[in-house]
Amino acid sequence: AQTVTQSQPEMSVQEAETVTLSCTYDTSESDYYLFWYKQPPSRQMILVIRQEAYKQQNATENRFSVNFQKAAKSFSLKISDSQLGDAAMYFCAYRSAPRETSGSRLTFGEGTQLTVNP
Amino acid sequence: NAGVMQNPRHLVRRRGQEARLRCSPMKGHSHVYWYRQLPEEGLKFMVYLQKENIIDESGMPKERFSAEFPKEGPSILRIQQVVRGDSAAYFCASSPRTGNGELFFGEGSRLTVL
Repeated sequence: AQTVTQSQPEMSVQEAETVTLSCTYDTSESDYYLFWYKQPPSRQMILVIRQEAYKQQNATENRFSVNFQKAAKSFSLKISDSQLGDAAMYFCAYRSAPRETSGSRLTFGEGTQLTVNP
Repeated sequence: NAGVMQNPRHLVRRRGQEARLRCSPMKGHSHVYWYRQLPEEGLKFMVYLQKENIIDESGMPKERFSAEFPKEGPSILRIQQVVRGDSAAYFCASSPRTGNGELFFGEGSRLTVL
């Protein structure tokens, strides 16, 4: 079974600064997807960024980028120019390649609570 | 609103009562997933359903919990004889039959058991 570990329960960053959230995972599969989701106080789960394991290039979405190290099974999220609205719980998630029995089932880490200080 | 719709958003039950949570997937989505989030924890997979079929229920507790996704109408997560430990946020997500498999989440239903 796949596992996802987020070793930082809490992180804080000054507004406009950069912060990196860590995530490691364990799998024997070679084809999979990795995600970062954001959960603000409203509890809505919002997809931040997605990475396909077969792609060597790290995904980027505006101020959000990842450092995907497949051999090390590491998938960190970098938030640049942090804004007050970035304050939320961030979850790393793993998904196997599509198959009939698991569909798009996600395995989540325990989350990192990010505080942005003005 | 074309998103995943969950209701009720908040539900209060006394121990021993039944809780029913409903989820309408996004239009065109035929796959539904239920997750549970206990306080201060991440989301844990419960069950994966397609229309009229339970595909994977490996995350469901063996007793008191059941789920369905009928041919017509929303998916239902049913918890019988609720206990205080069932207090949690229950999230539904949906995905289309094909594509990159991205999950679209509802806003969750928060169950409080008194």
